[in-house]
Amino acid sequence: GNSVTQMEGPVTLSEEAFLTINCTYTATGYPSLFWYVQYPGEGLQLLLKATKADDKGSNKGFEATYRKETTSFHLEKGSVQVSDSAVYFCALNRRNQFYFGTGTSLTVIP
Amino acid sequence: DTGVSQNPRHKITKRGQNVTFRCDPISEHNRLYWYRQTLGQGPEFLTYFQNEAQLEKSRLLSDRFSAERPKGSFSTLEIQRTEQGDSAMYLCASSLDGSPRTQYFGPGTRLLVL
Repeated sequence: GNSVTQMEGPVTLSEEAFLTINCTYTATGYPSLFWYVQYPGEGLQLLLKATKADDKGSNKGFEATYRKETTSFHLEKGSVQVSDSAVYFCALNRRNQFYFGTGTSLTVIP
Repeated sequence: DTGVSQNPRHKITKRGQNVTFRCDPISEHNRLYWYRQTLGQGPEFLTYFQNEAQLEKSRLLSDRFSAERPKGSFSTLEIQRTEQGDSAMYLCASSLDGSPRTQYFGPGTRLLVL
């Protein structure tokens, strides 16, 4: 079947720290992979995506590389800001369905 | 482009009552999805429309749930005889055809069943 596993949170970092949120997936075939972000009180927003192996998605300083050999799509940012505090969801798209991880809450403190 | 909108944003109802939610997708998007999200979890797929056709339904969608998209534009999700376990955030998303099918989410409707 298709599923996504994310590292459990919550994660608390100091401003300018390095961020990694792990995501691994199980899928039949060749899924597309996504990271969505949900800021407090807001809906889910697409952060970045990758459609095939070795693609790197990037946006707002965040990056994730589609690793087929390790079935992973880890989210990274070199220097987090207080405004990055949110819940981050890893997701995969296979055929007509999307499968989401449980989300990882990130809090960045000044 | 005004984004995906959902109404109402909040709904409180008593157990046993029926509720209906509305989703207006981005105007040119032909695909529309409904999800349910409970606290501490990611969105769970409920159903999906391509234009007016409902093409997939999750087994989570019991017979008390029904969704329509009569003209291929807005969609409604109705829950009959609500139960306390139906309390959740109901999310709508839309996308274009093509790959990848990047979804754009609405703000959600938060349902509380008392």
